[in-house]
Amino acid sequence: GAVVSQHPSWVICKSGTSVKIECRSLDFQATTMFWYRQFPKQSLMLMATSNEGSKATYEQGVEKDKFLINHASLTLSTLTVTSAHPEDSSFYICSALGAESYGYTFGSGTRLTVV
Amino acid sequence: RKEVEQDPGPFNVPEGATVAFNCTYSNSASQSFFWYRQDCRKEPKLLMSVYSSGNEDGRFTAQLNRASQYISLLIRDSKLSDSATYLCVVLMDSSYKLIFGSGTRLLVRP
Repeated sequence: GAVVSQHPSWVICKSGTSVKIECRSLDFQATTMFWYRQFPKQSLMLMATSNEGSKATYEQGVEKDKFLINHASLTLSTLTVTSAHPEDSSFYICSALGAESYGYTFGSGTRLTVV
Repeated sequence: RKEVEQDPGPFNVPEGATVAFNCTYSNSASQSFFWYRQDCRKEPKLLMSVYSSGNEDGRFTAQLNRASQYISLLIRDSKLSDSATYLCVVLMDSSYKLIFGSGTRLLVRP
C-alpha cells in the first residue's frame, strides 16, 4: 500500500532555531500534500495545502513566513518551522494525496519540542 | 461554531460493551465522511467511510443522517484494543481538505 515516510519522528530544538520536517511518498506520486498541527488533546488543524511545483495555500491564521512549505517534487514535501518558539511545540503531521488513488496517506508525525 | 463537533469523552466502558459516538458537521455541502482512529502520539488511521445507507465492518457500524448533519459510530463487543481516540472527519470535496473533529476518547477496561 501507499506509504509516506516522515522524518524526524521527534526533535528538540532551542528557541530561535529552525527545524525542517520531511515527508516522502515512497511508492506513489503525491500531487497534493496537507500539513497539520495537533496540540495535546486537540484536533488535527490543517495548516496548509501544497501542490507539486506551486506555492502552498495557507489556512487563516497560519504565518506563511514562519512555516515554510516546499513541494518541489512529486515525492517530497518539507515543512520548515523558522525561528521556533516554545508555543510552536506540537505534533506535526503530513498527509499525501496521490493522483492514482482516492486515499489519504498520513506520515507518522513529528513531535517538536522547542526549549 | 466548529466545523466538526464531537463529544470529547472519555468513554470508559468494560470489555464486551457497546458504545456509540456522535458527531455533527456544519457545512451542509460536505459530501464525504469518515471515522478515523488515532492512538496516542501516532498518526490517524482510517477506520471506515460513512455512507447515507449506513455501513458495517465487523463490530463497527457507521451511520450518516444528512438532514440532521449527524454522523455516528457504533462499536459492539468492545475489546481492550479498541481503546483509542476516534476522529470524525469531513471531506471538503472542492478542495480535498479533510476537516477533523477533536476526537472522542474511548477507554475499554478489563
